Amino acid sequence: AIQMTQSPSSLSASVGDRVTITCRASQGMRNDLGWYQQKPGKAPKLLIYAASTLQSGVPSRFSGSGSGTDFTLSINNLQPEDFATYYCLQDDGYPLTFGGGTKVEIK
Amino acid sequence: EVHLVESGGGLVQPGGSLRLSCTASGFAFSEYHMDWVRQAPGKGLEWVGRSRRKTYSYTTEYAASVKGRFTISRDDSENSVYLQMNSLKTEDTAVYYCARVFSPGANDAFDIWGQGTMVTVSS
Repeated sequence: AIQMTQSPSSLSASVGDRVTITCRASQGMRNDLGWYQQKPGKAPKLLIYAASTLQSGVPSRFSGSGSGTDFTLSINNLQPEDFATYYCLQDDGYPLTFGGGTKVEIK
Repeated sequence: EVHLVESGGGLVQPGGSLRLSCTASGFAFSEYHMDWVRQAPGKGLEWVGRSRRKTYSYTTEYAASVKGRFTISRDDSENSVYLQMNSLKTEDTAVYYCARVFSPGANDAFDIWGQGTMVTVSS
């Protein structure tokens, strides 16, 4: 199974900041990675698929990049509604595996 | 509007069984693979398994942690996917989500999620 190591596990940031979250895969993949945002008590929401394609309706301050083993989610100009937990998910092979999550908190 | 609604969660004793349902509306259910994902209290997301659509012969995939105990099935006439959970363990305690698999090209992603249903395994 492909292991996804996500870092950091948490971070503190201010409104207007740029934040970067990383997922590293235990083996090389193509672009088979998505990013999800989850707020407390809610279902996750798809932000990015195929490593860098923004899901319809998601603000352009979110962006994704990477291929192979290293993938990044960036959030520019952090907004109050962006404080949440973020997960990566690899869909390169079964079993699908999530990263451990990154909690973005208000500084 | 596109919706997924899970039901069937509850309290069950270790070793017991439970069947979850997920009913879809607002889209052509039969054209999509459907997955189950769970989240233990205070923990991260864990993929549980997949039900592929008819053109893929309704085949299924499972996480190692549930294989042999859980069974995913679907009824396209009812726009529903099911998760039959047997031999439940305390570590199966989680919120269970169903999710629609969006397949743009060679990639898969979960673009629609249900609200989740809580399963508690405890004596």
